[in-house]
Parts: sequence; C-alpha cells; structure tokens
Amino acid sequence: AQKITQTQPGMFVQEKEAVTLDCTYDTSDPSYGLFWYKQPSSGEMIFLIYQGSYDQQNATEGRYSLNFQKARKSANLVISASQLGDSAMYFCAMREFGGGADGLTFGKGTHLIIQP
Amino acid sequence: GAGVSQSPSNKVTEKGKDVELRCDPISGHTALYWYRQRLGQGLEFLIYFQGNSAPDKSGLPSDRFSAERTGESVSTLTIQRTQQEDSAVYLCASSTSLAGGIKNIQYFGAGTRLSVL
Repeated sequence: AQKITQTQPGMFVQEKEAVTLDCTYDTSDPSYGLFWYKQPSSGEMIFLIYQGSYDQQNATEGRYSLNFQKARKSANLVISASQLGDSAMYFCAMREFGGGADGLTFGKGTHLIIQP
Repeated sequence: GAGVSQSPSNKVTEKGKDVELRCDPISGHTALYWYRQRLGQGLEFLIYFQGNSAPDKSGLPSDRFSAERTGESVSTLTIQRTQQEDSAVYLCASSTSLAGGIKNIQYFGAGTRLSVL
C-alpha cells in the first residue's frame, strides 16, 4: 500500500487564486513528520513546510499553509494568492520516527501550472 | 558551499559501463541521503549516511549499487555495469545531525541526470 497518496497528477489554476494540493498518508507510527517540497523545472527540490504529528497548530510559512487533519490522515498544502513562479511539481513526503534515520517517503507529486 | 552540490549534472553512458556520482553536502551537515527519481515519479530513497557510516543499505536497488562517504563530507554513489533501467535523476540531500529529531529538514542538490544508452 502506498504510504503517501497525491491524487491530483496535474492542476491548472488562475494567477492570484488560492490552490489546495491534496496529500493523504498511511502510518501506524504515532510519531511522524510531514513535509512538502517544490520541484521547479530546474530539478532541485525546495523545502516548503513541515508539520509534526504532535503539533497542535497547522503549520504556516508565508503564502504556504498546511491543512493538517490527523484523524483523516491528510496534510493538504494550501498556497494563497498563487503566482506564475509557483508553477512546478509539488511533492508530499513523510518520515516516521519508528523508521529511525531512514529517508523520506514521497508521493508521486502534483504538477501545478499557474495561468496568467 | 552554500548548498548541496552534485556532479556531474548530466551523465550519458553506455550499457555495461560503471558510473560514479558525486555529492558535496552543506558544510556541517552530518547526515547525507541519496534518492532516485525516475521520469514522472516521486523520489525513491536509496541510502543514508550518518557521518561516514551507512547503517542500512537495504534501499539500494541491487548489488550493482554502492555508496561511500569520506568523513562528514563528500559522498559517491557508484553504479556498476549500468543497465537502461538505471536511467533516472539521482538526488542527494543533507541535513543536520539526526539527534535533532524527526524534523530534520533535508536540503537537496539539483541532481545528476543519468542516461544509459
């Protein structure tokens, strides 16, 4: 079973609109972290935002916020006031504390295109 | 350097040849990670180093893959007898000590695009 599911392969959004990118996860570990990365066409993975499983509040970083619904095991990324430069691949990822120091488990990504 | 540096940025090789991919992490980062990204896919975790030790190599796709790290700096990922299915982007990331807990942000390089003909 997939641990990270991103159900939107691609999205088209008008500039200045808000956009929500979906992410659901699967884990039995009570301690885990959720990450969102942006990958522009240049290929580099850029860290956007982090949410810990025990965090009481939803994470926010500038125009990025994370809609964390623990009972539903979802961690959707919300980008407010989208800009043309937001066009990129977006990946949701998870690290489970019980997994020790292993790497991140990534979803397949969502290709976001912002239209003028 | 300021960020994670990977070289070469592109590598084209013939099937059956060996290749070496290099990663230079952010200075002071003790943890280093290798990932593979096939076309149109998410990242697949391969291996990590804490210092120059790699506790778990089970993520490596086959025994043709190996990795080493010198001290807490440069790491090389070696693929022997390359096959066409090895074609992918290989990404390296580094982070501060794992003692920081689960929120260890991994910072990525731009990757090496490997094409096996």
